[in-house]
Amino acid sequence: DAGVTQSPTHLIKTRGQHVTLRCSPISGHKSVSWYQQVLGQGPQFIFQYYEKEERGRGNFPDRFSARQFPNYSSELNVNALLLGDSALYLCASKSATGGLVDTQYFGPGTRLTVL
Amino acid sequence: DAKTTQPPSMDCAEGRAANLPCNHSTISGNEYVYWYRQIHSQGPQYIIHGLKNNETNEMASLIITEDRKSSTLILPHATLRDTAVYYCIARNRDDKIIFGKGTRLHILP
Repeated sequence: DAGVTQSPTHLIKTRGQHVTLRCSPISGHKSVSWYQQVLGQGPQFIFQYYEKEERGRGNFPDRFSARQFPNYSSELNVNALLLGDSALYLCASKSATGGLVDTQYFGPGTRLTVL
Repeated sequence: DAKTTQPPSMDCAEGRAANLPCNHSTISGNEYVYWYRQIHSQGPQYIIHGLKNNETNEMASLIITEDRKSSTLILPHATLRDTAVYYCIARNRDDKIIFGKGTRLHILP
């Protein structure tokens, strides 16, 4: 089975622009989470979606938004890009939410550079 | 989620067992201990998790102390491919993972 896939692999944008990052979860997984990893730091939680609904949000400004589609894939949108948004953006999927703690599996990430 | 403490870096000779410690003294009864690793510029890779009992899989072993305040990840025969940052995480039912700074493991040839 394919793992979590993300596109694009790399992206270069300029300040003020908008970006959309995409994620396809592992087949059968209904929950998708997004993380931002700035160089030298651990990943930071941005959003979690399950069954197209937002189930959790980290401490990120409203410039960050996301959505999940009926096929459980997801998009992360960032508006009005700042230099500080340069990071590796990671998507993780898991099979369910609530109840038992389910293992999250991460994709390879999208490297965003803002100039 | 409970805070975890890990040494910032460790060295291990190739072929030897790598023992990575993690302190989670404030862990609560329903929090699992998870380990992930991240090889340079790649997404974190799940290794193993446990609640109370020691666990073993094809990648590693996880030893959790009886009081659950600390744990050790053991890579039995380290290879150069095990060079990575290793993250120890204590999780409950929350869907988010709170990553610390992890341990940078260097495997020495």
